[in-house]
Amino acid sequence: AQKVTQAQTEISVVEKEDVTLDCVYETRDTTYYLFWYKQPPSGELVFLIRRNSFDEQNEISGRYSWNFQKSTSSFNFTITASQVVDSAVYLCALSVTGDQAAGNKLTFGGGTRVLVKP
Amino acid sequence: DGGITQSPKYLFRKEGQNVTLSCEQNLNHDAMYWYRQDPGQGLRLIYYSQIVNDFQKGDIAEGYSVSREKKESFPLTVTSAQKNPTAFYLCASSPVGRSGTGELFFGEGSRLTVL
Repeated sequence: AQKVTQAQTEISVVEKEDVTLDCVYETRDTTYYLFWYKQPPSGELVFLIRRNSFDEQNEISGRYSWNFQKSTSSFNFTITASQVVDSAVYLCALSVTGDQAAGNKLTFGGGTRVLVKP
Repeated sequence: DGGITQSPKYLFRKEGQNVTLSCEQNLNHDAMYWYRQDPGQGLRLIYYSQIVNDFQKGDIAEGYSVSREKKESFPLTVTSAQKNPTAFYLCASSPVGRSGTGELFFGEGSRLTVL
């Protein structure tokens, strides 16, 4: 069985501060995907990034960056110079690809609510 | 525009009533999913379907039912047997197999409140 843990339930920062969201996962599969989604107050999940288990290269996209470390089973997400529009719930998720019958079922963490104050 | 449409956005129900949430997609995806979200608990899988006329239970299927008569549609019925139905419900879709890379595409959600 898969498990994703986001230990931080809520983080509050002042605009322009950096914020790092932790994500730790558990799986026995060697092939898997990790995801981050943003959920603004409207409720819809917005896809941010997908990383497969064979690609440990860190990625940067604008003010967003991700640090994937298989040795610690972590896939952390950093927002640099946060803005009020970054206020949302951020969800980390895992899918395993070894079971095609299971489709693309995602296992989600509990989410971290980020509040960026002006 | 291609996407997933959920309706209604807000729904109120009296205890003991069944209610059906609609989910329609025009992305030509084979697989569709229903997730439930409670505060602080992330998303939990209720049911999923990989192909028309077939579906499987997820982690919390008790008290729910689904149908998949058309590729585009995957309605969810919250029955009176569901003990705590008040929640936010999200529908998603994805390609299957080699064409899929694990990413799910989500609708805007339906918020159900039981009075």
